[in-house]
Amino acid sequence: AQKVTQAQTEISVVEKEDVTLDCVYETRDTTYYLFWYKQPPSGELVFLIRRNSFDEQNEISGRYSWNFQKSTSSFNFTITASQVVDSAVYFCALSGGSQGNLIFGKGTKLSVKP
Amino acid sequence: DTAVSQTPKYLVTQMGNDKSIKCEQNLGHDTMYWYKQDSKKFLKIMFSYNNKELIINETVPNRFSPKSPDKAHLNLHINSLELGDSAVYFCASSPHRLGSPVRRDSPLHFGNGTRLTVT
Repeated sequence: AQKVTQAQTEISVVEKEDVTLDCVYETRDTTYYLFWYKQPPSGELVFLIRRNSFDEQNEISGRYSWNFQKSTSSFNFTITASQVVDSAVYFCALSGGSQGNLIFGKGTKLSVKP
Repeated sequence: DTAVSQTPKYLVTQMGNDKSIKCEQNLGHDTMYWYKQDSKKFLKIMFSYNNKELIINETVPNRFSPKSPDKAHLNLHINSLELGDSAVYFCASSPHRLGSPVRRDSPLHFGNGTRLTVT
């Protein structure tokens, strides 16, 4: 079975703190893709990053970085120097479907206070 | 310029009514999806269509009927609405083409969601 677990339901930090959102996945596929989406209070789903199972290099994009570790089946997301605008629900997802659909974790609500 | 557009954005209706949500994508994608996001924010796939053909039909009550007049449109019709249908419904699309290797690398492009409230 394919599954994505985001154990942290809610996280609250103060602006400028670093924060890491955890994601653990399960799949029997040898080739798979992992994604992170952001859902701000306005409700839309915004694609942040895609990572394939063969590429374990960490990725950095501005204040965002992602740590993919196949050995622990984890794909964690770190925001450095958090800002109030980072407040959102963040979803980790796995491309587990036979037709390209995504299997989502339950999301982590991040609140960044000024 | 909107890639995936859903209408309406908000829908408030009474139990027992029938309603439809429309979705259109201008990305030229072959596959479209409907996802449901419940009050706890959990996102779950409902349906998937590939070039007007139903591909995925999760355990969704048959009061929900998707209709795809062409590959750019996937509408969701709901009969006899119930309180438990209240949720946000997201339409999405991806370039996956039936018969071709699954484009699992492609992120889904989501619409902005339709918040359905059944009273």
